[in-house]
Amino acid sequence: SQQGEEDPQALSIQEGENATMNCSYKTSINNLQWYRQNSGRGLVHLILIRSNEREKHSGRLRVTLDTSKKSSSLLITASRAADTASYFCATDADNNNDMRFGAGTRLTVKP
Amino acid sequence: DGGITQSPKYLFRKEGQNVTLSCEQNLNHDAMYWYRQDPGQGLRLIYYSQIVNDFQKGDIAEGYSVSREKKESFPLTVTSAQKNPTAFYLCASSMGPHQPQHFGDGTRLSIL
Repeated sequence: SQQGEEDPQALSIQEGENATMNCSYKTSINNLQWYRQNSGRGLVHLILIRSNEREKHSGRLRVTLDTSKKSSSLLITASRAADTASYFCATDADNNNDMRFGAGTRLTVKP
Repeated sequence: DGGITQSPKYLFRKEGQNVTLSCEQNLNHDAMYWYRQDPGQGLRLIYYSQIVNDFQKGDIAEGYSVSREKKESFPLTVTSAQKNPTAFYLCASSMGPHQPQHFGDGTRLSIL
């Protein structure tokens, strides 16, 4: 099954620093989505980027997509302790009606 | 408030027992999904349904069953055939394929 793979597995930074997480996938996609999960909770959708888009912003979030490299990155600027969570990318496939999630990046922001 | 509700939050299963996890949404979404999450892992798709009275197997459907008799409800049964059921189970819904998914807060299933 197609699946995004996040890198790094874990990231620890100081409050105020930027955090960058990467996602690689294997086959062509319609769109790629990023989600956040706080410990013991469900996932929350952050942003969707379509295959014909290269960059998208939402508040302190910036997502890029490079379909030639089959990769995406999520940048969180000016991080806060409340950004501590796991972040997942999810990809679809042209001929599937479902999404596949990666294993996630665990982000820790130290106050 | 619109949302997706999973119950119970914690569930314990005895050997040889079937248990059913509830998932209800009032978002008027057509599609619903069940995922399994093991500690430190990503989500693995168990079953999904794009429309009432229809559902498809995901990557790890063995030992699980679902029904979709109503648009709002997509219960998951963990059968005795699932030999390693201890996990965190997440239900989600979306307007349609490839659309953003809304998640419940999960059910944590353990073996007694």
